[in-house]
Amino acid sequence: DAKTTQPTSMDCAEGRAANLPCNHSTISGNEYVYWYRQIHSQGPQYIIHGLKNNETNEMVSLIITEDRKSSTLILPHATLRDTAVYYCIVRGNNNDMRFGAGTRLTVKP
Amino acid sequence: GAVVSQHPSRVICKSGTSVKIECRSLDFQATTMFWYRQFPKQSLMLMATSNEGSKATYEQGVEKDKFLINHASLTLSTLTVTSAHPEDSSFYICSASSEGNQPQHFGDGTRLSIL
Repeated sequence: DAKTTQPTSMDCAEGRAANLPCNHSTISGNEYVYWYRQIHSQGPQYIIHGLKNNETNEMVSLIITEDRKSSTLILPHATLRDTAVYYCIVRGNNNDMRFGAGTRLTVKP
Repeated sequence: GAVVSQHPSRVICKSGTSVKIECRSLDFQATTMFWYRQFPKQSLMLMATSNEGSKATYEQGVEKDKFLINHASLTLSTLTVTSAHPEDSSFYICSASSEGNQPQHFGDGTRLSIL
């Protein structure tokens, strides 16, 4: 699986958009990008995934660059409950997921 | 959405005890289940991958005789930590996925404390 690089931490004001970047420059053509988040002492929560097109759900948007070497997870209106560690993972056909260090997002009042 | 149930959520036991953790997919058939371990302030580390009806594949450095994995059905996998010692104390998390590029769904984890 391709490795990913994310900033260690980010802060965001409540109600503002949180843009979480992820670099995956060694991604190959059949590998999907997945985003999860983990709130303290809980299991990771699936957020969204995509291959090459931008994706949107009720929570977030996922923007994948045309060359697929990076992506950005956008939380349009962050709330205090969005404070968590966000993991960007590239998953290949062998189906397993290997977590990096993720980005610790802190939403501040 | 897909639900994965993990039990127990917390175990405290004496050194030398064997502990079994269950992971169930409640509303989908999980062809593959995964077991992770997470130490404080660290990320999740993949321990092993199990497919229903076959032997688990362990990551390098994970002792298969120490961490016994059984995946007897499409909805249940178990992890048994045999003869647990204080260094085995950790947060153990399972996940399950169906075929293809469906996302993995995670249980809420089991916090294991060995005294």
